[in-house]
Amino acid sequence: NAGVTQTPKFRVLKTGQSMTLLCAQDMNHEYMYWYRQDPGMGLRLIHYSVGEGTTAKGEVPDGYNVSRLKKQNFLLGLESAAPSQTSVYFCASSYGGQYTEAFFGQGTRLTVV
Amino acid sequence: GEDVEQSLFLSVREGDSSVINCTYTDSSSTYLYWYKQEPGAGLQLLTYIFSNMDMKQDQRLTVLLNKKDKHLSLRIADTQTGDSAIYFCADMDTGRRALTFGSGTRLQVQP
Repeated sequence: NAGVTQTPKFRVLKTGQSMTLLCAQDMNHEYMYWYRQDPGMGLRLIHYSVGEGTTAKGEVPDGYNVSRLKKQNFLLGLESAAPSQTSVYFCASSYGGQYTEAFFGQGTRLTVV
Repeated sequence: GEDVEQSLFLSVREGDSSVINCTYTDSSSTYLYWYKQEPGAGLQLLTYIFSNMDMKQDQRLTVLLNKKDKHLSLRIADTQTGDSAIYFCADMDTGRRALTFGSGTRLQVQP
């Protein structure tokens, strides 16, 4: 069972470059999320989606854009990467109910130099 | 906004009990969760507790909830080296249906 798959797993970018992180889930979940994880700060919500064609801002959305054209995919874009975006990025998905187990991908380690 | 706080580090000896503490601010939380992150991996749900419960036991894990003080704890009995990981407390942002995480507690188990 694939669950939640993120690509790529590692990436190094130069300041100002752009890139897209792909998240795919095969559990037919309505809700999908992008988090970033930084040392001592836990996971912070960047953007999320409550269904195909919808997106919404989370806690730290600046510098990121997202799209959810298909229910199973949630893309995170960095238009002009900055060193402050060096982080580990996690995608997650869930059914979105009151009790909801979120399933996480393995993470993408991004370094911006 | 919502806030979830944890201490950053805990070190125990193998065979001892570990207690990881968490405080939260959102009094409307229906469920509270504990997630585990092993090195180089994503987070996995470890256990959860419904807000009308005081305690939940699941094998070596005991979750205690004090709603009055908004305090949650995770006790791991007979801690093993395989329990070494980062443990995250989380509650549900009911508006976004997204989890709000604490900073994570790194548990180090010494043989």
